[in-house]
Amino acid sequence: NAGVMQNPRHLVRRRGQEARLRCSPMKGHSHVYWYRQLPEEGLKFMVYLQKENIIDESGMPKERFSAEFPKEGPSILRIQQVVRGDSAAYFCASSPEGLRGGYTFGSGTRLTVV
Amino acid sequence: GENVEQHPSTLSVQEGDSAVIKCTYSDSASNYFPWYKQELGKRPQLIIDIRSNVGEKKDQRIAVTLNKTAKHFSLHITETQPEDSAVYFCAASPGGYQKVTFGIGTKLQVIP
Repeated sequence: NAGVMQNPRHLVRRRGQEARLRCSPMKGHSHVYWYRQLPEEGLKFMVYLQKENIIDESGMPKERFSAEFPKEGPSILRIQQVVRGDSAAYFCASSPEGLRGGYTFGSGTRLTVV
Repeated sequence: GENVEQHPSTLSVQEGDSAVIKCTYSDSASNYFPWYKQELGKRPQLIIDIRSNVGEKKDQRIAVTLNKTAKHFSLHITETQPEDSAVYFCAASPGGYQKVTFGIGTKLQVIP
């Protein structure tokens, strides 16, 4: 079992460009979550998805950010027109039904906006 | 929504001493309380969790306690070792819903 796979590990974007972050959950996990971590800060919830459905996006900024988890393929977190404040580590986690065993996190994508 | 408070934000202990990290939560519906350890530059990893039908759980040098009446839970690490140095996050999840809310984290330094 390869665990939760995130790519890329590091992503550098210029202001105004788009960033696409990918997450493949663990085999058998049907729930995907995205969290953002700023330096020296905790993990802030962004969005919770199941296949083809956004369940809770209460932590997502209203503009420029979107997420999807299609029937086939990885979950995608998309940030349009990036700004310096978007620089952070973005972690994806997955879980089985009922949170048995808790979340398993991916290694994260460290986004740097220059 | 749920709010998780965690303290202290930093903690330094001598190797071999115990470390205690405390958290409180606001949503009385929360029934799942995991703890994660994050080493520098790495992913958070689950180290122990407790559900609301249990008051205490132990795994080798790590133990968690839960007081549902007071809405607080704690992590206890005994006989600390340098490799315990990391940031520790407490978290809470409401029953029937899988979103997990994290505390701000505690940076633990174990001094050899």
